[in-house]
Amino acid sequence: AQRVTQPEKLLSVFKGAPVELKCNYSYSGSPELFWYVQYSRQRLQLLLRHISRESIKGFTADLNKGETSFHLKKPFAQEEDSAMYYCALSEGGSTLGRLYFGRGTQLTVWP
Amino acid sequence: DAGVIQSPRHEVTEMGQEVTLRCKPISGHNSLFWYRQTMMRGLELLIYFNNNVPIDDSGMPEDRFSAKMPNASFSTLKIQPSEPRDSAVYFCASSIGGVGKRNEKLFFGSGTQLSVL
Repeated sequence: AQRVTQPEKLLSVFKGAPVELKCNYSYSGSPELFWYVQYSRQRLQLLLRHISRESIKGFTADLNKGETSFHLKKPFAQEEDSAMYYCALSEGGSTLGRLYFGRGTQLTVWP
Repeated sequence: DAGVIQSPRHEVTEMGQEVTLRCKPISGHNSLFWYRQTMMRGLELLIYFNNNVPIDDSGMPEDRFSAKMPNASFSTLKIQPSEPRDSAVYFCASSIGGVGKRNEKLFFGSGTQLSVL
């Protein structure tokens, strides 16, 4: 069963516009959610994690347990934000400790 | 630390040939993951090792795929025989987490671009 769903494969916005990358999850326990990013010709890397409640490169993401969502938002997109974004969920406790990734959203920010 | 090191960066082979992908995790990390990235399916977990022991290989697509981790600093992913549908980018990642713990931050290698003709 797909534990992490990213409904948009492609998303395009103009520079300066707000952007929201959607992520929904399915997990009965207490998940930890993450956003990973892959810029062109770079390694896939951690962008932010919900437990840190941090803002990285202007991006924020709030865990909404009622809606089982962890959408990534930025009020003013920049061209350098163009990348592939993956939402990920980590299980813990007695489970295997693996990390589940969504299928990714390719964000393009036009000048 | 140079991070997770994968080799080769690119591999082009003919259908039916054996392919071996290699990975050196970050020193001190005890979890290692092999992922496959395609346009259609995104990032799929193939197999996960913890302390050199395979924990979850449910993502390995077929018996043609096998993975080993003979020691803490080296892992291989082998495809024999390879098929055109195996063409993808294969990533190796490592982390400090493990069984019973959350894998919070994965460090990814640069990937191996595999093309099977």
